[in-house]
Order: sequence, then structure tokens, then C-alpha cells
Amino acid sequence: QLQLQESGPGLVKPSETLSLTCTVSGGSISSSSYYWGWIRQPPGKGLEWIGSIYYSGSTYYNPSLKSRVTISVDTSKNQFSLKLSSVTAADTAVYYCARHWNGGNANWFDPWGQGTLVTVSS
Amino acid sequence: SYELTQPPSVSVSPGQTARITCSGDALPKQYAYWYQQKPGQAPVLVIYKDSERPSGIPERFSGSSSGTTVTLTISGVQAEDEADYYCQSADSSGTCVFGGGTKLTVL
Repeated sequence: QLQLQESGPGLVKPSETLSLTCTVSGGSISSSSYYWGWIRQPPGKGLEWIGSIYYSGSTYYNPSLKSRVTISVDTSKNQFSLKLSSVTAADTAVYYCARHWNGGNANWFDPWGQGTLVTVSS
Repeated sequence: SYELTQPPSVSVSPGQTARITCSGDALPKQYAYWYQQKPGQAPVLVIYKDSERPSGIPERFSGSSSGTTVTLTISGVQAEDEADYYCQSADSSGTCVFGGGTKLTVL
């Protein structure tokens, strides 16, 4: 059974870079069938897709965040990572990683990690 | 930017049928997906490709599509179905988008 687990600092200072890692277990991140994505949810608000990566390193991002986001993959560790630069309080959210089924006109996320709360505060 | 529109809330009594809608201009060309999220938990996929149900999801969950609107139907609602429900799709460039979410209250 595929499982994903987010890890990283729970507190980041304004203007600094948020860094998170997602570790995939129970399956290979190098599967040719899937992308791997990041989604976030501010407290009490809805879901926002951040971006996704293929095991080859090919990425695509939400245009609204593209200038600040970098997603990378480490197939040797079965992990992928998120970096979000120049953070502000508006970036405070629960960050989820998920397997991203992506092909043609099909795009969905399943399963999801449990999520990790990142607070931006000095 | 592309948007998916959901009602903020839906209320039903136990045993009745709940219908949650999601509207978006690209839905005739892009599949829609539905997620259930209970407090403090990660979202769980309940419907994919408009109307397909993942294994392990109860048969009372179903999905349908008509033009620019997709609908999640929960038949015979149970107390455990009380949750937030999000629709998700993509625009023509592949940018993934979520609806604003609908809080289902079981009276």
C-alpha cells in the first residue's frame, strides 16, 4: 500500500525559504505512470495545488506560485521536495504531498500524505 | 484564472440524499474528481473521472456530469459522511484547480 509522509520545519521566518520533503513508501517514485504533487491548505480555507514533478525531473507549477516554487526529486531516496521562497504569513498552511495521476484530460491526486503544518512567523 | 464553483454548504437528514454541485467552464472537456475531508485529516478521493468510484468507497457515493456542472451524490447519507467535499479538475493548460469546498452537515 503506497504511503506518503511529509517532513520539514514547522516554523519559517518571513522572507525565508520553506523547505519540505515527501518520502514515498510501498512503491517506487520512478513509476512511469505518475507525477508527484504538492497541495496546500491555509487554516480554515480550501485546497490549492502548488505543483508536480515526474521522476525524470519534469515539472509543472501553478502559475500563481511559479515564480517562488521549486520542486525536485531524488529517486535514490524515493523522495521529492518542495521549496517556496520569500514566504509571508499568507503561506501559512498545511502542506500535503500526493501521488498525481496525470494523463490526457485526467488529473487527480491519490493517495495523500497526512499533511504538515507550516507557520510563517518571526 | 480558471475557477470551480461549489455551494458553501449543504444540509441533509440521515437517510436522505445529498447532492453537491461543482460548476466550471472546462468541465465538458476535463474530468472532475471529488475528495472528502474530515476535520484534521487529509483529503480522500471518493470519485474520479466524473463518475468512477475507487475501491473501498461505499456504493452510496456516486458522480455525474452534465455540461459545465458535475454532481456528487450521496444516497442514504450517514452521520459519518459529515465532512467537507472538494471538487477538482484542470484547465486547458493542465493547471489543477480545486473548488472552494462544500461543508456537508448531517442534521
